Amino acid sequence: QVQLQESGPGLVKPSETLSLTCTVSGGSISSYYWSWIRQPAGKGLEWIGRIYSSGSTNYNPSLKSRVTMSVDTSKNQFSLKLRSVTAADTAVYYCARETYIAVDFNTGYNWFDPWGQGTLVTVSS
Amino acid sequence: SSELTQDPAVSVALGQTVRITCQGDSLRSYYASWYQQKPGQAPVLVIYGENYRPSGIPDRFSGSRSGNTASLTITGAQAEDEADYYCNSRDSSALYVFGTGTKVTVL
Repeated sequence: QVQLQESGPGLVKPSETLSLTCTVSGGSISSYYWSWIRQPAGKGLEWIGRIYSSGSTNYNPSLKSRVTMSVDTSKNQFSLKLRSVTAADTAVYYCARETYIAVDFNTGYNWFDPWGQGTLVTVSS
Repeated sequence: SSELTQDPAVSVALGQTVRITCQGDSLRSYYASWYQQKPGQAPVLVIYGENYRPSGIPDRFSGSRSGNTASLTITGAQAEDEADYYCNSRDSSALYVFGTGTKVTVL
């Protein structure tokens, strides 16, 4: 079955750029949306954004000015860059596959499955 | 932006039934998906759509929706169901939003 694995530095300095990669195994990255989701310690989940296999993106408006996502279909990977990080960006970062089904023009349902195991990124000098 | 509001914590006696609710305007148009998260682990999908369970999820988990409220029901709660539960749905501004989370304690 499809498995996801996040990778990247666990420690990033304030004002620098957080960079993470998610590697998809057991299936193709094509024809799906792929999301990044984060969770500060002891807090809830926050959707960061998504990228389609073609490269089309959608970002959470609260992070849009600092986020860039990219995809490399040849490597079955997609990536997250978050610029100008602060301590508030310290969190466990998850990647996940998203599926959306439209029931009709203005209703439908989505789900995130599977998820990666998550990687802790700490922002500190 | 829209929010999905959940009760912070609920408790249930072993073998009894518990319902976890998620409220938000977007739920009038979109179904919620539900995730179980145990300490130190990634979230796991337990319910999506009208009331669909992924393979491997016990049938004691079920979902429903009424108006602006989505519900996850655990019928006959087991000790292993003790976890945090999050709802998720589309949102008018952020595209997707997660609920605030509910900690379920099995007594």
